[in-house]
Amino acid sequence: GAVVSQHPSWVICKSGTSVKIECRSLDFQATTMFWYRQFPKQSLMLMATSNEGSKATYEQGVEKDKFLINHASLTLSTLTVTSAHPEDSSFYICSARPGTGVTRYTFGSGTRLTVV
Amino acid sequence: QQQVKQSPQSLIVQKGGISIINCAYENTAFDYFPWYQQFPGKGPALLIAIRPDVSEKKEGRFTISFNKSAKQFSLHIMDSQPGDSATYFCAASPGANNLFFGTGTRLTVIP
Repeated sequence: GAVVSQHPSWVICKSGTSVKIECRSLDFQATTMFWYRQFPKQSLMLMATSNEGSKATYEQGVEKDKFLINHASLTLSTLTVTSAHPEDSSFYICSARPGTGVTRYTFGSGTRLTVV
Repeated sequence: QQQVKQSPQSLIVQKGGISIINCAYENTAFDYFPWYQQFPGKGPALLIAIRPDVSEKKEGRFTISFNKSAKQFSLHIMDSQPGDSATYFCAASPGANNLFFGTGTRLTVIP
């Protein structure tokens, strides 16, 4: 149990276009989802926390207008990278948690974004 | 500011040996300490986790040792295998909120 599906696993896009990444909890309802960014050989950096039905909370330094997060249902959260630039190229990972006060975090398999 | 400090950055161990990775924290509000294993191009997978009310937890070849007074915890991998070669992250969470990750340790187990 506790499977999180992230799609796509990799994407290449042209500079200036937008890319949407989906994160789905397959066998549980994810009250809270987290989005991370990971540069090569570095740790995971939390970008934002989203609770179903409410606006995402972004970490300091993360542009909310550039990284649009939607958590419209208990099983789906999306991250849209708008007007992507080469510096947005990175590995993006989502994580889902079934409820508040619960420490079980399940991670997706990640999305490799390359902006050319 | 790095909330969880992890060492070493990389580690090479012979097959059958013991791999030891250490982490330290300052925030006494942390009450959940998981370890994650990550293979290249994949998301992290939970290995084992501990809460501060116990000093040790063992699951198979993986053991967490926790020292609350020193605010340190470590992962021991017994009988290390080449398949254990991956990047390991410690993490900490205050009251089931966000996870704060360590900087990662790249483990290589040589045959």
